[in-house]
Amino acid sequence: EVQLVESGGTLVQPGGSLRLSCAASGFIFSSYWMHWVRQTPGKGLVWVSRINGDGRSTTYADSVKGRFTISRDNAKNILFLQMDTLRLEDTALYFCARGYYYGSGRLISYVDVWGKGTTVTVSS
Amino acid sequence: SYELTQPPSVSVSPGQTARITCSGDALPKQYAYWYQQKPGQAPVLVIYKDNERPSGIPERFSGSNSGTTVTLTISGVQAEDEADYYCQSADSSGSSLFVFGTGTTVTVV
Repeated sequence: EVQLVESGGTLVQPGGSLRLSCAASGFIFSSYWMHWVRQTPGKGLVWVSRINGDGRSTTYADSVKGRFTISRDNAKNILFLQMDTLRLEDTALYFCARGYYYGSGRLISYVDVWGKGTTVTVSS
Repeated sequence: SYELTQPPSVSVSPGQTARITCSGDALPKQYAYWYQQKPGQAPVLVIYKDNERPSGIPERFSGSNSGTTVTLTISGVQAEDEADYYCQSADSSGSSLFVFGTGTTVTVV
C-alpha cells in the first residue's frame, strides 16, 4: 500500500526553526517528485515546494523562498522540509504528497498520493 | 502571481448535476487537475490531465477544458460527494509554479 506519514509539526515561536519529515512506503521513492502543500484552518490548499527524484532540482513558492529548504534521503525513503525564520503566517497543516512533473509546453504536473498532514503552529 | 479562480460554493440536489468552474489565463496552455477534500481528510485526486479519471474514481466525475475555463462535472450527485473541490494547474512562465484554485464547497441539499 502506498503510504506517506508526516511528522515533526509542533508549536514554535516566530523566528524559530523546525524540520518536518515525511516517511514514504509502498512505492519506489527515488522515482518520484515529492511536494509539500500547506493548508490554514478553514482555508484553501497552498503549494509550498517540490523536489525531483534525485534531489538535485527544487522549486519553492515565493512566500517561503529563502526560508524553507526541501530535501530527501532516498536511502531511508524520507522527505524533509527545513523551515527557518518562521512567521505567524506559516501556521498551517503541512501535507507531503507524491507527484509527477514532466513534459514541455503543456506540463504534466500534479500530485496523486497525500499524507494526512502534520500541524505547525507559529505563535509567541 | 498566477491565480486560479473558483466559485466559493455550489449547491445541488441529490441525483442532479454539479458543475464547478475554474478560470485562469494559462489554462489554454496547461493541463488542469481536480482534487476532492472532505472535512478532516487529505485531498484525493479525482481528475488529471483535464479529463482523465484515476482508478477507483467513480464515472460520475468528469472534466473538460474550454480555453481559460475548466469544469469539473459531477453527474448524479450523491450525498458522499459533499466536499471541497480544488482545481490545480501550472502557470506558463518560466517558473512553472504549481498553483491551486481558491476552492469550491459543494453542498448536497
